Amino acid sequence: DAGVIQSPRHEVTEMGQEVTLRCKPISGHNSLFWYRQTMMRGLELLIYFNNNVPIDDSGMPEDRFSAKMPNASFSTLKIQPSEPRDSAVYFCASTLTSGGVNEQFFGPGTRLTVL
Amino acid sequence: AQSVAQPEDQVNVAEGNPLTVKCTYSVSGNPYLFWYVQYPNRGLQFLLKYITGDNLVKGSYGFEAEFNKSQTSFHLKKPSALVSDSALYFCAVRDTTGANNLFFGTGTRLTVIP
Repeated sequence: DAGVIQSPRHEVTEMGQEVTLRCKPISGHNSLFWYRQTMMRGLELLIYFNNNVPIDDSGMPEDRFSAKMPNASFSTLKIQPSEPRDSAVYFCASTLTSGGVNEQFFGPGTRLTVL
Repeated sequence: AQSVAQPEDQVNVAEGNPLTVKCTYSVSGNPYLFWYVQYPNRGLQFLLKYITGDNLVKGSYGFEAEFNKSQTSFHLKKPSALVSDSALYFCAVRDTTGANNLFFGTGTRLTVIP
């Protein structure tokens, strides 16, 4: 298994531009999570999906952020318009939500720099 | 509400010595606890988890963690540290309401000195 795949690995953009981050979860996993990591705030959960349905988006900073999961194998996190304070590493993670307690598997992250 | 605390931002230990990275938790109900490690420029990697049963949980790379309900702690340990263990370590607790999201601590940077 290739693990959780994220693209791009690095993104540099200018303030005001639209940014789209992509994630492919591990095949067979039915829960997907988007996190943001910064030095100041640590690791923050932005949103998570169960069976492609958004369950909790209370961590999404503001309306400039949106996330979709059109099918079980793909999710996007979009920032429009981007701002310098959005600069961070964004992680996607997936897991199998079943009767057990399973760990999350993280992707390598996308390092976003907004100039 | 669920939360974890990692009281030490930085832990330094000499190679070959035992290491401990501390974590305390707060949950209503039975906790599900996790440890993850993050190497530079990488995503988080799962080390071990406690669900129920034996209080001593063994995980990857020789790490283990001890669940202590009376002290609400889940400290990560290793008998003999390696330089390659130097990384950022995160403790996490799972939401006990039935949801599957994790609440992470702020992380502890472990440096193993040769």
